[in-house]
Amino acid sequence: DTEVTQTPKHLVMGMTNKKSLKCEQHMGHRAMYWYKQKAKKPPELMFVYSYEKLSINESVPSRFSPECPNSSLLNLHLHALQPEDSALYLCASSQGQGSETQYFGPGTRLLVL
Amino acid sequence: QQQVKQSPQSLIVQKGGISIINCAYENTAFDYFPWYQQFPGKGPALLIAIRPDVSEKKEGRFTISFNKSAKQFSLHIMDSQPGDSATYFCAARGNSGTASKLTFGTGTRLQVTL
Repeated sequence: DTEVTQTPKHLVMGMTNKKSLKCEQHMGHRAMYWYKQKAKKPPELMFVYSYEKLSINESVPSRFSPECPNSSLLNLHLHALQPEDSALYLCASSQGQGSETQYFGPGTRLLVL
Repeated sequence: QQQVKQSPQSLIVQKGGISIINCAYENTAFDYFPWYQQFPGKGPALLIAIRPDVSEKKEGRFTISFNKSAKQFSLHIMDSQPGDSATYFCAARGNSGTASKLTFGTGTRLQVTL
């Protein structure tokens, strides 16, 4: 099973809302990633967790708050977002941070009004 | 130096033709070069990948050609099919620390016509 699941598939939120994106994998991978993808652009790395610890933060604004409750789950908490944060948010996982193959989930399409 | 340049931005190929997408990189610390395929509304999926110690890798209709001295690599899709219509991203990755993150090219939208 090489599946990474993400919920919800779509999310619409106002600029004052608080919401969370969820990602789950059961492949025993120890590295998990959040990417942001704007239309017709490549994915941009936001965060990397390795063994449930934050390893890389690509200078992401604090209105995005990642959390890794356990080795299978990754959350992205959203608060006070801006319309320009509207994008496809992708989760990925790999065996380890240095592992070659990253498996991507289908993404959550976020619209901030 | 972290950039990966990809061309063309879009490509239209007739069914049965050969699709060719090119990428170039600057960072000699990159040691892994994957290609991802992304359909609309889906996440990217690994298609094929190569390491710089080989010049070519073939999997079915998909071939990566790698030129280490020129720091270029390309994806060839033989006998292109309408089902291959998607966006293709090349990427590169270093081998340690923050260099182990994927650096993506800008993407190529491929349309295969009947």
